[in-house]
Amino acid sequence: KNEVEQSPQNLTAQEGEFITINCSYSVGISALHWLQQHPGGGIVSLFMLSSGKKKHGRLIATINIQEKHSSLHITASHPRDSAVYICAGGGGSGAQKLVFGQGTRLTINP
Amino acid sequence: EAQVTQNPRYLITVTGKKLTVTCSQNMNHEYMSWYRQDPGLGLRQIYYSMNVEVTDKGDVPEGYKVSRKEKRNFPLILESPSPNQTSLYFCASSRGKGTDTQYFGPGTRLTVL
Repeated sequence: KNEVEQSPQNLTAQEGEFITINCSYSVGISALHWLQQHPGGGIVSLFMLSSGKKKHGRLIATINIQEKHSSLHITASHPRDSAVYICAGGGGSGAQKLVFGQGTRLTINP
Repeated sequence: EAQVTQNPRYLITVTGKKLTVTCSQNMNHEYMSWYRQDPGLGLRQIYYSMNVEVTDKGDVPEGYKVSRKEKRNFPLILESPSPNQTSLYFCASSRGKGTDTQYFGPGTRLTVL
């Protein structure tokens, strides 16, 4: 069964801090998605990774295929980064399906 | 603008009154999916479709129906809604498999009394 585990569940930090959110996944998942959900509900896809590292602005996502682990980093965090971050695994035994982590609620205080 | 639209955005209804939540995408995507999101349970897949007339059950299909008569539309049908279907629903689309970027609709908040 494909599984995705995220940590931490909740994270509170001060503006400017470097943030790391972790995601571990099970055998069979070949792509890892990072999603962002702001209060009010909408979900936005940040990254889709199958290897290596991707960067967009202050956000960096990495994946280690051997260790089945991915991280999302936020540099110079800002209150507008406050959101729920969700990792989701795809391309597994149910190739059309995504398996979601429980999400990490990030709060950045000014 | 590339987008996934859902309607309605908010709906309050009563037990047993049939309803349909529409989903439409303008990106010519083959793959569409419905999810529900509940506190403490995260996102769970209800149904998905790999192309026109091709649909399959996700993890929580009970009480729901879908159809895919056109590539762009993927409505979610609740024939006889019950209070345990009160949830936040998302439609999503992508070019193909779970390895492609997912595009989500804005969500539909459904309350069944």
